[in-house]
Amino acid sequence: GQNIDQPTEMTATEGAIVQINCTYQTSGFNGLFWYQQHAGEAPTFLSYNVLDGLEEKGRFSSFLSRSKGYSYLLLKELQMKDSASYLCAVRDNRGLQAQLWSRKKGQAGTALIFGKGTTLSVSS
Amino acid sequence: SQTIHQWPATLVQPVGSPLSLECTVEGTSNPNLYWYRQAAGRGLQLLFYSVGIGQISSEVPQNLSASRPQDRQFILSSKKLLLSDSGFYLCAWRNNGTGVEKLFFGSGTQLSVL
Repeated sequence: GQNIDQPTEMTATEGAIVQINCTYQTSGFNGLFWYQQHAGEAPTFLSYNVLDGLEEKGRFSSFLSRSKGYSYLLLKELQMKDSASYLCAVRDNRGLQAQLWSRKKGQAGTALIFGKGTTLSVSS
Repeated sequence: SQTIHQWPATLVQPVGSPLSLECTVEGTSNPNLYWYRQAAGRGLQLLFYSVGIGQISSEVPQNLSASRPQDRQFILSSKKLLLSDSGFYLCAWRNNGTGVEKLFFGSGTQLSVL
């Protein structure tokens, strides 16, 4: 099975930098995603890592270490609108193999498994 | 461009009543489709996923069921709702392939079972 851990809550002030950590355990690995979710709304895609290293996209960056089963999302120059839940999600090779097999068997394939999310509160 | 539609946005149902939530995707063909539930204080829980018409995989045992009568239509149902079925239900899709395409979510249905 899969296990994904991230802190429940974090607080920060406007203009600051915050790092949200995520650790995972999986039988295989085929990519890690970060999503942002505002209260009452659907999650929206932020970043994707499949190889070790840092992926930068504007104020947001995401890092991955596959050997350590560890990722973090880095948010710079925090704004009030960044107050939201941040979801770490993993997909693994077992799911991918199941998808390839399942095409012959007519059954369903792989899916993202999410952590419980980290609620970030940004104050002025 | 691709879009995903999910309805209704909110729903209040009594215990023991039936449920039907519908999701449709436009602008793509043969997508992978998913139903997730997010209960208060809990993460997104995968309920069902499908790679094609009539092909449904259930992730957790429960009193819910899913159907895919058409390529871009995914329906979540229940014959008798329980209090524990309350939550925020999200439909999602991704391109059908072995690459690591991202997941796109519908706007969600807030279900309250009373």
